[in-house]
Amino acid sequence: QQQVKQSPQSLIVQKGGISIINCAYENTAFDYFPWYQQFPGKGPALLIAIRPDVSEKKEGRFTISFNKSAKQFSLHIMDSQPGDSATYFCAPHQGGKLIFGQGTELSVKP
Amino acid sequence: DVKVTQSSRYLVKRTGEKVFLECVQDMDHENMFWYRQDPGLGLRLIYFSYDVKMKEKGDIPEGYSVSREKKERFSLILESASTNQTSMYLCASSLLKTSGGPYEQYFGPGTRLTVT
Repeated sequence: QQQVKQSPQSLIVQKGGISIINCAYENTAFDYFPWYQQFPGKGPALLIAIRPDVSEKKEGRFTISFNKSAKQFSLHIMDSQPGDSATYFCAPHQGGKLIFGQGTELSVKP
Repeated sequence: DVKVTQSSRYLVKRTGEKVFLECVQDMDHENMFWYRQDPGLGLRLIYFSYDVKMKEKGDIPEGYSVSREKKERFSLILESASTNQTSMYLCASSLLKTSGGPYEQYFGPGTRLTVT
């Protein structure tokens, strides 16, 4: 049973462009919606997260947009940089556990 | 600085061997987790523990067991390794929070296990 669907699987963006990654979920009991970032050879690390009572959260170049009725949330990376090249996971939370999406491999070309 | 360490970065084992993966955290976190990461499948939860000697099955516990004798240490055991257990194994820890978030999990660097 796939509770979380993430798209696209991979993404290539030019430096300075906007990267957009989407996450759709089924479980309405999720109560926190984070994105994790993973560089090669490292474990994932929390990038940004949003509570379900907020529709948007911005931290620097990173923004989460949350649509509760559509059961979707997305990560926007503005002015994408080569250093943003990594794998990104949505990982909504329930009961102390995170449910990870399939991952999106982002490559930002100089 | 927050730290989760895993005993090995790379491990090669033979089919049928018993394999131990160790994880230690220095943040006094109550929760600890073991995941496996495979391309296109994301991270899948194998087991988690919210207290010493307590454990709960995750989504894919078959073929694995765990041990948590001390708060800072969580071990994953492959009783009889098989080739389909070749994967990246990630350990994580977090605070025990009942509400409000952020429910952040801190991950170790992973162990790349190859079973031949």
